[in-house]
Amino acid sequence: QQQVKQSPQSLIVQKGGISIINCAYENTAFDYFPWYQQFPGKGPALLIAIRPDVSEKKEGRFTISFNKSAKQFSLHIMDSQPGDSATYFCAPKQGSSNTGKLIFGQGTTLQVKP
Amino acid sequence: DVKVTQSSRYLVKRTGEKVFLECVQDMDHENMFWYRQDPGLGLRLIYFSYDVKMKEKGDIPEGYSVSREKKERFSLILESASTNQTSMYLCASESPGTGFFKQYFGPGTRLTVT
Repeated sequence: QQQVKQSPQSLIVQKGGISIINCAYENTAFDYFPWYQQFPGKGPALLIAIRPDVSEKKEGRFTISFNKSAKQFSLHIMDSQPGDSATYFCAPKQGSSNTGKLIFGQGTTLQVKP
Repeated sequence: DVKVTQSSRYLVKRTGEKVFLECVQDMDHENMFWYRQDPGLGLRLIYFSYDVKMKEKGDIPEGYSVSREKKERFSLILESASTNQTSMYLCASESPGTGFFKQYFGPGTRLTVT
């Protein structure tokens, strides 16, 4: 079953522009919403995460916006840089206990052109 | 810095061979995971473990088994490799903390089964 739908599949942005990646989910039991960033040849790494008790979280140029009623959350990258070129995954967590697991989206490949 | 190492970056095996993929983490994390990553499908969970000698099936366990004899080591076993198991395999470890769960990934093993 496809519990998590990520869009777009790929994205090309000019340097300095805003990159927006969306994640829609079905399972209302998700209660932890992270984004992971993966560079070629590396494993994914946690970029930023949010709990559903807030609607937005900002860390530097990266912001998560969360819409509980629409069951969607998005990643915004402000002032996008060529070094942001990577694959991004949303990965909501099923269950907040120690025994929960991440459910990964399909991934979005971001290319930031100089 | 947390380090998750995987025994091989690239591996080529023949159909029907038994394959062992090893993962070691150096941060005394309780939780460890095995994923496979395929283009357009994101990361899919194969097996995970919350403690030594404990294992839980993920979303795609068929054709795989795991072993966790020591806390720092989590092995993925392909009993009889098949061509549809050609993929990138990623190991991760996680320490359940204060509510923001962070998985640390190894660099991955690209397995080709011919």
